[in-house]
Amino acid sequence: QVQLVQSGSELKKPGASVKVSCKASGYTFTSFAINWVRQAPGQGLEWMGWIHTTTGNPTYAQGFTGRFVFSLDTSVSTAYLQITNLKADDTAVYFCARWVGYCSGGTCSNAFDPWGQGTPVTVSS
Amino acid sequence: QSVLTQPPSVSAAPGQKITISCSGSSSNIGNNYVCWYQQLPGTAPKLLIYEDNRRPSGIPERFSGSKSGTSVTLGITGLQTGDEADYYCGTWDSSLRAGVFGGGTKLTVL
Repeated sequence: QVQLVQSGSELKKPGASVKVSCKASGYTFTSFAINWVRQAPGQGLEWMGWIHTTTGNPTYAQGFTGRFVFSLDTSVSTAYLQITNLKADDTAVYFCARWVGYCSGGTCSNAFDPWGQGTPVTVSS
Repeated sequence: QSVLTQPPSVSAAPGQKITISCSGSSSNIGNNYVCWYQQLPGTAPKLLIYEDNRRPSGIPERFSGSKSGTSVTLGITGLQTGDEADYYCGTWDSSLRAGVFGGGTKLTVL
């Protein structure tokens, strides 16, 4: 079955870096973009951006530029999210999600299915 | 402050019907398709509705979506205790050139 499996929870100190992995299976990895979504404790979903799995070209949402890097290793069907210079505000669960949407004639469907199980990242001294 | 506006909570008894609203603008809901996601406690979101009103395979007919202008509504009939979850609407915003979500609605089945 189609699934995304993410790496386990992380506990980091402020200023450190973290790299979260998202391994896809059950479909052709390069046929669908991967999106990243953040959920801070007790909060809603926040779209971070996406990466084109054929070209590797990333697009970052406002607020996720500079310290956030999306990357791929297509040989192992895996997407990565790296966050550098971690801050306490980065404490959240990070989800990857397969984009099954499309855009046609100026109208877009921005659907994500499935989602990874989420990777909790805690930043604390 | 989310781009899309949802009520924080809704509640009803088992077997009843509820609706959850999600309002936006012409740059998002008004000109793009909307999805709904169900997030059970401690789990990842799950696609419930896509393209405003279509259900992925495996999603019961109890779940429905509708759209009018710049607002969408999720309907759930025959409420079950297992439906207790957070529900999020999401779409693309053509002006922001970004994915956007509502703030989420917590459904309690009393």
